[in-house]
Amino acid sequence: DAGITQSPRHKVTETGTPVTLRCHQTENHRYMYWYRQDPGHGLRLIHYSYGVKDTDKGEVSDGYSVSRSKTEDFLLTLESATSSQTSVYFCAISEAGSTDTQYFGPGTRLTVL
Amino acid sequence: AQSVTQLDSHVSVSEGTPVLLRCNYSSSYSPSLFWYVQHPNKGLQLLLKYTSAATLVKGINGFEAEFKKSETSFHLTKPSAHMSDAAEYFCVVSEAYTGRRALTFGSGTRLQVQP
Repeated sequence: DAGITQSPRHKVTETGTPVTLRCHQTENHRYMYWYRQDPGHGLRLIHYSYGVKDTDKGEVSDGYSVSRSKTEDFLLTLESATSSQTSVYFCAISEAGSTDTQYFGPGTRLTVL
Repeated sequence: AQSVTQLDSHVSVSEGTPVLLRCNYSSSYSPSLFWYVQHPNKGLQLLLKYTSAATLVKGINGFEAEFKKSETSFHLTKPSAHMSDAAEYFCVVSEAYTGRRALTFGSGTRLQVQP
Protein backbone atom coordinates (compact mmCIF):
# COMPACT_ATOMS: atom_id res chain seq x y z
CA ASP A 1 0.00 0.00 0.00
CA ALA A 2 1.12 3.51 -0.78
CA GLY A 3 2.24 5.43 2.28
CA ILE A 4 -0.67 7.81 2.70
CA THR A 5 -2.26 8.74 5.99
CA GLN A 6 -5.13 11.05 6.73
CA SER A 7 -5.97 12.71 9.99
CA PRO A 8 -8.31 12.79 11.69
CA ARG A 9 -10.14 9.69 10.46
CA HIS A 10 -13.44 10.83 11.95
CA LYS A 11 -14.61 14.27 13.00
CA VAL A 12 -17.87 15.77 14.16
CA THR A 13 -18.10 19.53 14.23
CA GLU A 14 -20.68 22.30 14.31
CA THR A 15 -21.80 24.65 11.58
CA GLY A 16 -19.63 27.73 11.32
CA THR A 17 -16.48 26.27 12.86
CA PRO A 18 -13.18 25.97 10.95
CA VAL A 19 -11.92 22.48 10.17
CA THR A 20 -8.56 21.32 8.83
CA LEU A 21 -7.91 17.87 7.41
CA ARG A 22 -4.39 16.62 6.87
CA CYS A 23 -2.96 14.31 4.27
CA HIS A 24 0.56 12.99 4.74
CA GLN A 25 2.54 10.91 2.23
CA THR A 26 5.86 9.11 2.46
CA GLU A 27 6.20 8.41 -1.30
CA ASN A 28 7.67 11.78 -2.32
CA HIS A 29 5.06 12.08 -5.10
CA ARG A 30 4.69 15.44 -6.77
CA TYR A 31 0.89 15.50 -7.14
CA MET A 32 -1.63 15.45 -4.32
CA TYR A 33 -5.41 15.67 -4.50
CA TRP A 34 -8.42 16.15 -2.27
CA TYR A 35 -11.73 14.53 -3.21
CA ARG A 36 -15.09 14.29 -1.52
CA GLN A 37 -17.33 11.26 -1.84
CA ASP A 38 -21.09 11.54 -1.63
CA PRO A 39 -23.73 8.91 -2.45
CA GLY A 40 -24.57 8.86 -6.15
CA HIS A 41 -21.70 11.17 -7.11
CA GLY A 42 -18.62 9.00 -7.05
CA LEU A 43 -15.61 11.08 -6.07
CA ARG A 44 -15.38 14.76 -6.99
CA LEU A 45 -12.19 16.75 -7.03
CA ILE A 46 -11.96 19.66 -4.59
CA HIS A 47 -8.39 20.92 -5.05
CA TYR A 48 -5.09 19.51 -6.15
CA SER A 49 -1.42 20.37 -5.88
CA TYR A 50 1.32 19.92 -8.46
CA GLY A 51 4.17 20.93 -6.20
CA VAL A 52 5.06 22.78 -3.04
CA LYS A 53 3.00 25.98 -2.90
CA ASP A 54 1.41 25.13 -6.28
CA THR A 55 -2.30 24.39 -6.09
CA ASP A 56 -5.36 24.65 -8.30
CA LYS A 57 -9.11 24.31 -8.01
CA GLY A 58 -11.17 21.29 -8.86
CA GLU A 59 -14.84 21.05 -9.73
CA VAL A 60 -16.25 21.55 -6.20
CA SER A 61 -13.81 24.01 -4.62
CA ASP A 62 -16.26 26.56 -3.17
CA GLY A 63 -15.95 26.76 0.62
CA TYR A 64 -12.57 24.97 0.69
CA SER A 65 -8.96 26.12 0.70
CA VAL A 66 -5.72 24.15 0.62
CA SER A 67 -2.09 24.60 1.43
CA ARG A 68 1.07 22.67 0.70
CA SER A 69 4.21 23.93 2.40
CA LYS A 70 6.07 20.60 2.21
CA THR A 71 6.08 17.83 -0.36
CA GLU A 72 4.67 15.33 2.11
CA ASP A 73 1.76 17.34 3.52
CA PHE A 74 -1.41 18.65 1.89
CA LEU A 75 -3.96 20.40 4.10
CA LEU A 76 -7.64 20.94 3.34
CA THR A 77 -9.41 23.69 5.27
CA LEU A 78 -13.08 24.41 5.61
CA GLU A 79 -13.06 28.02 6.77
CA SER A 80 -16.63 27.89 8.09
CA ALA A 81 -18.12 24.44 7.91
CA THR A 82 -21.66 23.92 6.61
CA SER A 83 -23.92 20.88 6.72
CA SER A 84 -23.50 20.45 2.95
CA GLN A 85 -19.85 19.68 3.60
CA THR A 86 -20.73 16.54 5.53
CA SER A 87 -18.97 13.91 3.47
CA VAL A 88 -16.12 11.45 3.28
CA TYR A 89 -12.89 13.11 2.18
CA PHE A 90 -10.15 11.24 0.37
CA CYS A 91 -6.62 12.31 -0.31
CA ALA A 92 -4.76 10.87 -3.30
CA ILE A 93 -1.23 11.07 -4.67
CA SER A 94 0.43 10.44 -8.00
CA GLU A 95 3.92 10.75 -9.42
CA ALA A 96 2.92 12.36 -12.67
CA GLY A 97 -0.16 14.21 -13.81
CA SER A 98 -3.64 13.35 -14.87
CA THR A 99 -2.93 10.10 -16.74
CA ASP A 100 -0.94 8.56 -13.96
CA THR A 101 -2.30 6.13 -11.41
CA GLN A 102 -3.56 7.78 -8.25
CA TYR A 103 -3.23 6.10 -4.88
CA PHE A 104 -5.79 6.87 -2.23
CA GLY A 105 -5.66 7.35 1.49
CA PRO A 106 -8.10 5.69 3.91
CA GLY A 107 -10.49 8.65 4.06
CA THR A 108 -11.82 11.06 6.68
CA ARG A 109 -15.48 10.99 7.63
CA LEU A 110 -16.62 14.52 8.48
CA THR A 111 -20.01 15.30 9.98
CA VAL A 112 -21.14 18.91 10.28
CA LEU A 113 -24.09 19.37 12.62
CA ALA B 1 -14.58 17.74 -21.71
CA GLN B 2 -14.40 14.27 -20.28
CA SER B 3 -17.18 12.33 -18.61
CA VAL B 4 -17.98 8.78 -17.64
CA THR B 5 -21.28 6.94 -17.21
CA GLN B 6 -21.69 3.73 -15.29
CA LEU B 7 -24.80 2.17 -16.69
CA ASP B 8 -25.86 0.20 -13.61
CA SER B 9 -25.96 1.52 -10.06
CA HIS B 10 -26.43 -2.00 -8.66
CA VAL B 11 -25.53 -5.43 -10.01
CA SER B 12 -26.31 -8.70 -8.26
CA VAL B 13 -24.77 -12.03 -9.26
CA SER B 14 -24.48 -15.48 -7.77
CA GLU B 15 -21.13 -16.76 -6.60
CA GLY B 16 -19.34 -18.56 -9.43
CA THR B 17 -21.21 -16.74 -12.23
CA PRO B 18 -19.72 -14.09 -14.54
CA VAL B 19 -19.57 -10.41 -13.64
CA LEU B 20 -20.16 -7.56 -16.09
CA LEU B 21 -19.98 -3.93 -14.97
CA ARG B 22 -20.65 -1.47 -17.77
CA CYS B 23 -18.93 1.86 -18.36
CA ASN B 24 -19.18 4.37 -21.20
CA TYR B 25 -16.93 7.39 -21.47
CA SER B 26 -16.73 10.64 -23.35
CA SER B 27 -13.40 12.21 -24.15
CA SER B 28 -12.09 14.78 -26.60
CA TYR B 29 -8.62 13.27 -26.57
CA SER B 30 -7.05 9.89 -26.13
CA PRO B 31 -8.18 8.91 -22.66
CA SER B 32 -6.61 6.93 -19.90
CA LEU B 33 -9.21 4.73 -18.23
CA PHE B 34 -9.20 3.09 -14.84
CA TRP B 35 -11.32 0.84 -12.70
CA TYR B 36 -11.10 1.25 -8.94
CA VAL B 37 -12.74 -0.87 -6.25
CA GLN B 38 -13.88 0.28 -2.82
CA HIS B 39 -14.74 -2.21 -0.12
CA PRO B 40 -17.04 -1.02 2.69
CA ASN B 41 -15.45 1.68 4.83
CA LYS B 42 -12.19 1.43 2.95
CA GLY B 43 -10.22 3.58 0.55
CA LEU B 44 -10.03 3.00 -3.19
CA GLN B 45 -7.81 0.37 -4.74
CA LEU B 46 -6.73 0.30 -8.38
CA LEU B 47 -8.02 -2.76 -10.26
CA LEU B 48 -6.62 -2.00 -13.70
CA LYS B 49 -5.60 0.78 -16.06
CA TYR B 50 -5.75 1.38 -19.82
CA THR B 51 -3.27 3.75 -21.45
CA SER B 52 -3.44 2.93 -25.18
CA ALA B 53 -1.17 -0.11 -25.18
CA ALA B 54 -3.29 -3.30 -25.39
CA THR B 55 -7.05 -2.89 -25.66
CA LEU B 56 -7.66 -5.85 -23.34
CA VAL B 57 -6.35 -5.01 -19.91
CA LYS B 58 -5.86 -7.54 -17.16
CA GLY B 59 -6.06 -6.46 -13.57
CA ILE B 60 -5.88 -7.88 -10.10
CA ASN B 61 -8.13 -10.60 -8.67
CA GLY B 62 -9.07 -12.00 -12.09
CA PHE B 63 -10.72 -8.84 -13.42
CA GLU B 64 -10.19 -7.56 -16.93
CA ALA B 65 -11.58 -4.79 -19.12
CA GLU B 66 -11.70 -4.17 -22.84
CA PHE B 67 -11.30 -0.74 -24.38
CA LYS B 68 -13.61 -0.31 -27.38
CA LYS B 69 -13.08 3.03 -29.03
CA SER B 70 -15.91 2.60 -31.55
CA GLU B 71 -18.38 2.04 -28.72
CA THR B 72 -16.65 4.42 -26.26
CA SER B 73 -16.89 1.65 -23.68
CA PHE B 74 -14.63 0.17 -21.04
CA HIS B 75 -16.63 -2.65 -19.43
CA LEU B 76 -15.23 -4.62 -16.50
CA THR B 77 -15.60 -8.40 -16.45
CA LYS B 78 -14.68 -11.40 -14.36
CA PRO B 79 -15.43 -15.01 -15.35
CA SER B 80 -16.44 -16.21 -11.91
CA ALA B 81 -17.58 -14.05 -8.99
CA HIS B 82 -16.33 -14.61 -5.49
CA MET B 83 -17.98 -13.45 -2.29
CA SER B 84 -15.00 -11.18 -1.64
CA ASP B 85 -15.79 -9.26 -4.85
CA ALA B 86 -18.77 -7.61 -3.20
CA ALA B 87 -17.86 -3.92 -3.22
CA GLU B 88 -18.41 -0.67 -5.10
CA TYR B 89 -16.65 -0.23 -8.41
CA PHE B 90 -15.76 3.05 -10.06
CA CYS B 91 -14.93 3.66 -13.70
CA VAL B 92 -12.62 6.64 -14.11
CA VAL B 93 -11.39 8.65 -17.10
CA SER B 94 -8.48 10.99 -17.48
CA GLU B 95 -7.54 12.84 -20.63
CA ALA B 96 -4.11 13.47 -21.96
CA TYR B 97 -3.30 17.07 -22.83
CA THR B 98 -5.43 18.46 -20.03
CA GLY B 99 -2.37 19.45 -18.09
CA ARG B 100 -2.64 19.01 -14.40
CA ARG B 101 -6.28 18.15 -14.17
CA ALA B 102 -7.23 15.08 -12.18
CA LEU B 103 -9.59 12.17 -12.72
CA THR B 104 -13.32 12.14 -13.49
CA PHE B 105 -15.21 9.43 -11.65
CA GLY B 106 -18.38 7.61 -12.57
CA SER B 107 -21.08 7.45 -9.92
CA GLY B 108 -20.23 3.85 -9.06
CA THR B 109 -21.73 0.35 -9.37
CA ARG B 110 -22.43 -1.63 -6.24
CA LEU B 111 -21.79 -5.33 -6.81
CA GLN B 112 -23.62 -7.83 -4.65
CA VAL B 113 -22.57 -11.48 -4.71
CA GLN B 114 -25.16 -14.00 -3.55
CA PRO B 115 -24.07 -17.35 -2.09
